[in-house]
Amino acid sequence: DTGVSQNPRHKITKRGQNVTFRCDPISEHNRLYWYRQTLGQGPEFLTYFQNEAQLEKSRLLSDRFSAERPKGSFSTLEIQRTEQGDSAMYLCASSKTVQETQYFGPGTRLLVL
Amino acid sequence: GNSVTQMEGPVTLSEEAFLTINCTYTATGYPSLFWYVQYPGEGLQLLLKATKADDKGSNKGFEATYRKETTSFHLEKGSVQVSDSAVYFCALSIGNEKLTFGTGTRLTIIP
Repeated sequence: DTGVSQNPRHKITKRGQNVTFRCDPISEHNRLYWYRQTLGQGPEFLTYFQNEAQLEKSRLLSDRFSAERPKGSFSTLEIQRTEQGDSAMYLCASSKTVQETQYFGPGTRLLVL
Repeated sequence: GNSVTQMEGPVTLSEEAFLTINCTYTATGYPSLFWYVQYPGEGLQLLLKATKADDKGSNKGFEATYRKETTSFHLEKGSVQVSDSAVYFCALSIGNEKLTFGTGTRLTIIP
């Protein structure tokens, strides 16, 4: 399977805990995006990378959130001191160049109790 | 800023009915326009796209035409099937960068 993969698919955590999600893009895709989708809403942009460089961060991305893409391959999204409002589906997408379609992974569903 | 407004759902149709899901946009610049679909239990998939005014995107019997004069990109299909039941998202991007999505329209087709 050469699609975008995300792990874990589901995560339940208690408020105040830290969580980390991983995204593996399609091979040779140099752009990687993170979005967040809450129930009944469309995905909202969080941040994106061109290779290992983080080029843009949304205002939605508070200082409790951090994303990395070491070596320009997989990416991790960490949420520190989780809050109930962080409960959502976290989506990752990748594209080969700035001109290409974004391909989405299946998402990681986070529930903060 | 950029935004997408799409027809609120849910929409329920009988099999073989004609489908229209409205989408309008506001953008600073010249956006590319997309329809993504999310089938039950699956991730977002690109359904079709158009990159400039008057372009028509099409796929799986669905069509949408980029109308700059009305800032619209309405999704249509002449005869829907039960397998088309899904959530449909209209989206735009400027310079093919981050996507801005609408809120989604849930479509249910009954046999």
